[in-house]
Amino acid sequence: AQKITQTQPGMFVQEKEAVTLDCTYDTSDPSYGLFWYKQPSSGEMIFLIYQGSYDQQNATEGRYSLNFQKARKSANLVISASQLGDSAMYFCAMREGQGSGGSNYKLTFGKGTLLTVNP
Amino acid sequence: ETGVTQTPRHLVMGMTNKKSLKCEQHLGHNAMYWYKQSAKKPLELMFVYNFKEQTENNSVPSRFSPECPNSSHLFLHLHTLQPEDSALYLCASSQVVGTEKLFFGSGTQLSVL
Repeated sequence: AQKITQTQPGMFVQEKEAVTLDCTYDTSDPSYGLFWYKQPSSGEMIFLIYQGSYDQQNATEGRYSLNFQKARKSANLVISASQLGDSAMYFCAMREGQGSGGSNYKLTFGKGTLLTVNP
Repeated sequence: ETGVTQTPRHLVMGMTNKKSLKCEQHLGHNAMYWYKQSAKKPLELMFVYNFKEQTENNSVPSRFSPECPNSSHLFLHLHTLQPEDSALYLCASSQVVGTEKLFFGSGTQLSVL
């Protein structure tokens, strides 16, 4: 079974509007971390936002926020006020276990969502 | 200068060739990673080095041979590759293994003919 599922292969949004990219995950580990990365056409993966499983509040980083619904095992990325430069592939990823020097540090990535921002 | 630099950006090689991918990080990190990104597949972790020691080999075929001479440099030596090895190979680094934020390079787009 897939550990990270991104059901939207592609999404379109108008400039200045908000967009939500879906991500669901599957784990039985009570301690885990969820990440979103952006990959523009240049190829490099850019870290956007992180949510720990024990974090009480949803993570926010500028125009990015993570809608964390633990019971539903979803970690959707919300981008507010979309810009043309937001057009890219977006990947959701999960680390199971304690991380930070422990042995469970592998990131499992989803297949990604291609976001296109229209002017 | 970007944090993680990969060379070359593009590489075309025959199945009998030997080539190497290079990664250099200027962030003072101690952990470095090789990932493989194939078309329409999720990123796959290949190797992990922590303080120059290999801590993970994710069942990667022996035709891929990593080398980490110091914490700033990571190589991936390639020999007798197969066409299905064509992919984007991404290098990443982090402060230590397990920290949340990975910094990635722009990758090497490899084509095996």
